[in-house]
Amino acid sequence: AQKVTQAQTEISVVEKEDVTLDCVYETRDTTYYLFWYKQPPSGELVFLIRRNSFDEQNEISGRYSWNFQKSTSSFNFTITASQVVDSAVYFCALSEAGGYQKVTFGTGTKLQVIP
Amino acid sequence: KAGVTQTPRYLIKTRGQQVTLSCSPISGHRSVSWYQQTPGQGLQFLFEYFSETQRNKGNFPGRFSGRQFSNSRSEMNVSTLELGDSALYLCASRLKTGENSPLHFGNGTRLTVT
Repeated sequence: AQKVTQAQTEISVVEKEDVTLDCVYETRDTTYYLFWYKQPPSGELVFLIRRNSFDEQNEISGRYSWNFQKSTSSFNFTITASQVVDSAVYFCALSEAGGYQKVTFGTGTKLQVIP
Repeated sequence: KAGVTQTPRYLIKTRGQQVTLSCSPISGHRSVSWYQQTPGQGLQFLFEYFSETQRNKGNFPGRFSGRQFSNSRSEMNVSTLELGDSALYLCASRLKTGENSPLHFGNGTRLTVT
């Protein structure tokens, strides 16, 4: 069975600080996919990134970066120089490979960026 | 391209009633998934439909059911509503079922059961 754990329930930072959101996953598969989604107060989840289990390269997109480490089963998300618009709930998710696999989400981390 | 559309946005029902939620996927997307979101449990997978067939199902009682039509639109039904069914119900579509396709979510239907 697959499982995603986001231990940080809520994080508050002051604007311009860097913040890292943790994600730890469990799966028995060797091939799987990891995702991050953002849910702003409006409610709609927005897809941020997809990573497959064979690609451990870190990725950077503007102020966002992701660190994938298979050795620790972690897929952490860092926001550099946070802004108020980053305030949202962030979800990490996992999908195993093959057939009709569901996407399993973590419980989310609520990030509040204080101006 | 229009996004995923869910109707209605808000619903208030009483215990024992039944409710039907609707979801129109992004044009061209053939897979539709449903999730229940509550403050304590996060996003819980209900089911996924592809080509009018249920392909996967989460751990919810039989009171929760769904279907998909030939145009890929989907409906979710909850019968004999309980207070604990109060939640945000999210629909997501993707191009095809499978691990490579990210989910695209609608704004959700907020159901309140009194």
